[in-house]
Amino acid sequence: ETGVTQSPTHLIKTRGQQVTLRCSSQSGHNTVSWYQQALGQGPQFIFQYYREEENGRGNFPPRFSGLQFPNYSSELNVNALELDDSALYLCASNDEPGQPYEQYFGPGTRLTVT
Amino acid sequence: AQKVTQAQTEISVVEKEDVTLDCVYETRDTTYYLFWYKQPPSGELVFLIRRNSFDEQNEISGRYSWNFQKSTSSFNFTITASQVVDSAVYFCALSGNNAGNMLTFGGGTRLMVKP
Repeated sequence: ETGVTQSPTHLIKTRGQQVTLRCSSQSGHNTVSWYQQALGQGPQFIFQYYREEENGRGNFPPRFSGLQFPNYSSELNVNALELDDSALYLCASNDEPGQPYEQYFGPGTRLTVT
Repeated sequence: AQKVTQAQTEISVVEKEDVTLDCVYETRDTTYYLFWYKQPPSGELVFLIRRNSFDEQNEISGRYSWNFQKSTSSFNFTITASQVVDSAVYFCALSGNNAGNMLTFGGGTRLMVKP
């Protein structure tokens, strides 16, 4: 059991709205990464947080933002939702950002934008 | 730029058949790591294996085996005597030397094992 949890499981939003997705990392893991997985595709890296600071970012616009808290929880915020934001959002945690060990993934939040 | 290609989008086999999932990667890093993940219908990505670029030894874990060939930039995954429970989407991923543990995933291969 990985210990990474995400909430909510499913979410339906309307175009233009804002959404917050939550992740609780495995205890002791101070690095969290977020990925977007569109239907039928592989996950794409959004950004990574390490000790509450952004530590790397993929090719996503600024309306995708994040927060990481000292209690191993984190948030992904998406503003001005677009239809193409409909996807499975996965968070993953691990010990240190520089170590390419296996990341432990949560079950994901499926976001539908209508 | 890094890239992972899984040319097989979908494979269907009958139980007990052997099946190989192909993965080809591109990177300019001299040190990198390759991964395989399994994604069952529940959606969670399950880690299967990590291999670093300096270790070209093949690995076997039960019915699973991996063939890493640096010369052809391939990291193929074979399931021996497939079972229905192996049905899932399998992703190959790459992490470069300077990318922390940002993973670049391939498009995935959907494996269907029929009884």
